[in-house]
Amino acid sequence: GESVGLHLPTLSVQEGDNSIINCAYSNSASDYFIWYKQESGKGPQFIIDIRSNMDKRQGQRVTVLLNKTVKHLSLQIAATQPGDSAVYFCAETHNYGQNFVFGPGTRLSVLP
Amino acid sequence: NAGVTQTPKFQVLKTGQSMTLQCAQDMNHNSMYWYRQDPGMGLRLIYYSASEGTTDKGEVPNGYNVSRLNKREFSLRLESAAPSQTSVYFCASRGGQNTGNQPQHFGDGTRLSIL
Repeated sequence: GESVGLHLPTLSVQEGDNSIINCAYSNSASDYFIWYKQESGKGPQFIIDIRSNMDKRQGQRVTVLLNKTVKHLSLQIAATQPGDSAVYFCAETHNYGQNFVFGPGTRLSVLP
Repeated sequence: NAGVTQTPKFQVLKTGQSMTLQCAQDMNHNSMYWYRQDPGMGLRLIYYSASEGTTDKGEVPNGYNVSRLNKREFSLRLESAAPSQTSVYFCASRGGQNTGNQPQHFGDGTRLSIL
């Protein structure tokens, strides 16, 4: 069956450093991927998305990379700030589907 | 702009009690969703509504029912609560039915404990 997972359950980085959060997926038909940020006590918040016809997409301080060959997705956060501390989820779907598959999340801690 | 609003934010039930979780969105979205989030697991889809008047089962529908009351509102009902339904429940909405890939927008959740 299809699944979306994360390589590291926790990640600690120094303030100002770059962060890289990884995600693996198993469904080769997946064609739409999303990264969400979830702060304590709140719902997931959309960060950035990417379609399978792209390898890279950039937002404000964030970049998503997609490697379809190895079915791997990553989120890069530049100059990590204390406000970036949260749990980050990847999610995927395919064929414009309604069923999104979510990974369990990586907790990012930013050290002063 | 409130986005997705869920009520209540917290609730404690006894086993066997019933309850309805409310969700409303003000973004004129067609699709709405109910998820549960358990420790160490990703969000799991309970039910969704692709458009007003339609509902479909997700990954974990057993023990739940839903109602798409109108375009804005999508409720989740537990008819006879069980301890295994202790979880955080999230409602989400998404844009047009056939407007291509779009992300979901989430509410801040209902924290439900069943004793």
